[in-house]
Amino acid sequence: DTEVTQTPKHLVMGMTNKKSLKCEQHMGHRAMYWYKQKAKKPPELMFVYSYEKLSINESVPSRFSPECPNSSLLNLHLHALQPEDSALYLCASSHPQGAGKWGNEQFFGPGTRLTVL
Amino acid sequence: KNQVEQSPQSLIILEGKNCTLQCNYTVSPFSNLRWYKQDTGRGPVSLTIMTFSENTKSNGRYTATLDADTKQSSLHITASQLSDSASYICVVSEVRDSSYKLIFGSGTRLLVRP
Repeated sequence: DTEVTQTPKHLVMGMTNKKSLKCEQHMGHRAMYWYKQKAKKPPELMFVYSYEKLSINESVPSRFSPECPNSSLLNLHLHALQPEDSALYLCASSHPQGAGKWGNEQFFGPGTRLTVL
Repeated sequence: KNQVEQSPQSLIILEGKNCTLQCNYTVSPFSNLRWYKQDTGRGPVSLTIMTFSENTKSNGRYTATLDADTKQSSLHITASQLSDSASYICVVSEVRDSSYKLIFGSGTRLLVRP
């Protein structure tokens, strides 16, 4: 299995809602990532988990709360979002730094298209 | 500041023609460089990945080159197909102590017309 799956594909939420994005991989990768991508822009790193522990938080607002319950799953909890948070949210996974020839080759999921009203 | 710059921003070609996309980077120290293809609204898909010691890497109709001395890379697409219409993103892996960070270019949007 060489896939990263994300659910839901699309999500529309109000500014007072609480929702969660889910990401799953079964490639044995122990590093997982959340990216945010606005239209016609490159992905922007939000969070990195390494061995189920948060290792990088790129100064993301607290209304985004990541969670890594086990080595295969990564969640992103959303609360009190703003319309400017509307974007494509991408999950990726890789072997941790230094593992194997390619080290940190990242495999991306298809993304969740989020719209905040 | 470590940067990755791509050109052109957008490109329109006719089906069956070849094209070359450019990537210049200033990232140092550098681990590897990869090219991704991203269809609209989808996640990026890896096309090639090269370390500093590799000059060229092919994946079907896609051929990437790397000149680590001049810090330039190119992606050449031969015999283009309509399905090649997508954004092509150059990504450089920056080494930071025991960690790393991917530096993304802004991408080249390619449109292949019949």
